[in-house]
Amino acid sequence: AQSVSQHNHHVILSEAASLELGCNYSYGGTVNLFWYVQYPGQHLQLLLKYFSGDPLVKGIKGFEAEFIKSKFSFNLRKPSVQWSDTAEYFCAVTLNQAGTALIFGKGTTLSVSS
Amino acid sequence: GAVVSQHPSRVICKSGTSVKIECRSLDFQATTMFWYRQFPKQSLMLMATSNEGSKATYEQGVEKDKFLINHASLTLSTLTVTSAHPEDSSFYICSLLPGTGAYNEQFFGPGTRLTVL
Repeated sequence: AQSVSQHNHHVILSEAASLELGCNYSYGGTVNLFWYVQYPGQHLQLLLKYFSGDPLVKGIKGFEAEFIKSKFSFNLRKPSVQWSDTAEYFCAVTLNQAGTALIFGKGTTLSVSS
Repeated sequence: GAVVSQHPSRVICKSGTSVKIECRSLDFQATTMFWYRQFPKQSLMLMATSNEGSKATYEQGVEKDKFLINHASLTLSTLTVTSAHPEDSSFYICSLLPGTGAYNEQFFGPGTRLTVL
């Protein structure tokens, strides 16, 4: 069964620092990749997604992610974080088949100090 | 994006009672619906997948008789936690998949916080 690994459990940064959150998945077939954010007390919000095409995907709020097929990775990046980026970040994968569920990584807590 | 609602947003119940959670798509038809559970400080764990008009498919370790899922229509799915116990306290989230194409994005409901006393 496919799985998703997020290597960083808790990341602490100062404002304006650069961010990179790792995500690796284990599946040899074609997948769709997502990053979601969950702000404290709120529901999941899609940051960005990759289905096909340009492996560098730009999302909302200045986030981007790069799909590297050879490394089974889909790392999330932001050049300069803000205090408001403090949240839980989830990487998720779904098979490129109709009707399949998202498989989530364990999540990374990002704490940004002002 | 598509709008998904869940009701109730919060529920507190006594141990042994049953709780029904509704998940509705407000502006699209969902052929497939998913139910997830999220414990505090943890990730979302898939509980079951349901398609309209057919029985739900449960993930390993999820009790079918305890978590009853009814995908009544293309806009409504319900999760009933039967004989709830404190260990069932969790955040329950539904997500909907419109259409049948492989590229369709799932849309999440806001979640239901269940607390069993």
